[in-house]
Amino acid sequence: DTGVSQNPRHKITKRGQNVTFRCDPISEHNRLYWYRQTLGQGPEFLTYFQNEAQLEKSRLLSDRFSAERPKGSFSTLEIQRTEQGDSAMYLCASSPGAAPYDEKLFFGSGTQLSVL
Amino acid sequence: AQRVTQPEKLLSVFKGAPVELKCNYSYSGSPELFWYVQYSRQRLQLLLRHISRESIKGFTADLNKGETSFHLKKPFAQEEDSAMYYCALVPSGNTPLVFGKGTRLSVIA
Repeated sequence: DTGVSQNPRHKITKRGQNVTFRCDPISEHNRLYWYRQTLGQGPEFLTYFQNEAQLEKSRLLSDRFSAERPKGSFSTLEIQRTEQGDSAMYLCASSPGAAPYDEKLFFGSGTQLSVL
Repeated sequence: AQRVTQPEKLLSVFKGAPVELKCNYSYSGSPELFWYVQYSRQRLQLLLRHISRESIKGFTADLNKGETSFHLKKPFAQEEDSAMYYCALVPSGNTPLVFGKGTRLSVIA
């Protein structure tokens, strides 16, 4: 499968623990996005990268959240001191070009986080 | 702030009946609009985009700037159209997609 890959598929953690998710985009896609989706809601934008540069962060992204894309390839999303409200599906997407409005976003299958 | 509204959480239609999934947006400029779809056990994927003026799997969507709408239509629904549909917009320039809450379409045989 040469699509966007996300690991792990599921993560169960206790409140207060740190978690890290990984996203491998489609090769040569220079844009990478993180979205969060809760039950009954559409995907909500968290942050995105153009190559290794983090260009925008949503106000949803509290200081407990950090994302990196060190070499412009894979990305990690870390949540520190998890809270029950962090329970959600975390989606990663990538796209090939420079302008988001004229291109397709290719989504991964997501990481389902459950905070107990 | 830009917002996408999909008023129906669930839409059930019979096979062969016309389908219209409603989408309204709030944005003062000229946004680019999209419909994304998620079939059961599959990833979220692009169905169609306003800029391409295309018809995909028999679906079309017309941008109505006066009514700020981008409704998705298909004249004859098929069982395989059953899925979750999300309307989305890019407000301007290099800003990321804003999604609606989605409408679940159920096509009944």
